[in-house]
Amino acid sequence: DTGVSQNPRHKITKRGQNVTFRCDPISEHNRLYWYRQTLGQGPEFLTYFQNEAQLEKSRLLSDRFSAERPKGSFSTLEIQRTEQGDSAMYLCASSLSDQETQYFGPGTRLLVL
Amino acid sequence: GESVGLHLPTLSVQEGDNSIINCAYSNSASDYFIWYKQESGKGPQFIIDIRSNMDKRQGQRVTVLLNKTVKHLSLQIAATQPGDSAVYFCAEERLQAGTALIFGKGTTLSVSS
Repeated sequence: DTGVSQNPRHKITKRGQNVTFRCDPISEHNRLYWYRQTLGQGPEFLTYFQNEAQLEKSRLLSDRFSAERPKGSFSTLEIQRTEQGDSAMYLCASSLSDQETQYFGPGTRLLVL
Repeated sequence: GESVGLHLPTLSVQEGDNSIINCAYSNSASDYFIWYKQESGKGPQFIIDIRSNMDKRQGQRVTVLLNKTVKHLSLQIAATQPGDSAVYFCAEERLQAGTALIFGKGTTLSVSS
């Protein structure tokens, strides 16, 4: 399967713990995006990378959130000191370049207890 | 604020019927539009896209229509099948303003046999 992959698919954690998610984009896709989706809503943009450079962050991305794409391939999204309001589906997407279609991974569903 | 919205939160059809899902957008500067299908527990799946220099685009059993005059987008699904049951999102992108997709809230399509 050469689509976008995300790990883990599900994560349950206690409030205050740190969690890290991984996204592997489609091979040779330069752009990588993170979105968050809560129940009944459409995905909301968090941040994106052009190769290893993080070019844009949404105001939704508080200082507890950090994303990296160190070698321009896979990316990680870390949430520190998780809160119950962080419970959501975290989606990763990639595109070949700008102005190209974004393809989504299966998401990581986070539940903060 | 600027957002992509959908006219109906739910749509129920019989197998074999044609389905039409509508979406209104508010920003005339949007120049790229995408329809995604999302099944329960999965990430959004690309269906079809259209750029603002077109008013119609056809795929396999799907057609997207764009009416820039009234800022309206629609997805037509021919001969709807039970496997088409999902939440459908339209998303817009303003290619000159960055590459974050803006999603509407979605329409849940239910297909009964």
